[in-house]
Amino acid sequence: GAVVSQHPSWVICKSGTSVKIECRSLDFQATTMFWYRQFPKQSLMLMATSNEGSKATYEQGVEKDKFLINHASLTLSTLTVTSAHPEDSSFYICSARDTSGRALETQYFGPGTRLLVL
Amino acid sequence: RKEVEQDPGPFNVPEGATVAFNCTYSNSASQSFFWYRQDCRKEPKLLMSVYSSGNEDGRFTAQLNRASQYISLLIRDSKLSDSATYLCVLFSGGYNKLIFGAGTRLAVHP
Repeated sequence: GAVVSQHPSWVICKSGTSVKIECRSLDFQATTMFWYRQFPKQSLMLMATSNEGSKATYEQGVEKDKFLINHASLTLSTLTVTSAHPEDSSFYICSARDTSGRALETQYFGPGTRLLVL
Repeated sequence: RKEVEQDPGPFNVPEGATVAFNCTYSNSASQSFFWYRQDCRKEPKLLMSVYSSGNEDGRFTAQLNRASQYISLLIRDSKLSDSATYLCVLFSGGYNKLIFGAGTRLAVHP
């Protein structure tokens, strides 16, 4: 089955530093990847949609200059949390959509990255 | 109003029990519906799609009522391994994205 990896699986950083999270589709090509954030006991909230070779589309209320997304290839998207603050501590999950003609709603989720900002 | 509403639970049930979860959604244009399962500190995993005709997968039965904008999940003969959070999810074709409910927590005890 389709596999999506994320790296790192967890990260602890100091306030003010930047953190990069990678999302890779391992056995399929993904023109579209999605970045979600989940706070404890809350639902997954879509942050942005990342399209290969073009700018990401951000959801309302998500600062594009703070959450930098790059989708340079069909198998890799990165999310950089710039100048991270404690309130950015969360569970970040990516998902990827297979380009091979599957239904639009089919997404494969990565295992998530747990970020703790001190 | 939230787009997808679920009772957060927790539902505490003994092994072997039958338990039902409900979910309501506000956007009548929603196209596709799913139940996902999420274990603690893990990513969500697709459990099953939901169709108007109802569908069953082993001990799990899902039902969609478009007129009432209501989705249900029935779990029969609960196992300890069913303990997780169950997420009601819909696909909005207009917005081209999945929309997640906050989830209903299930705890199955011996």
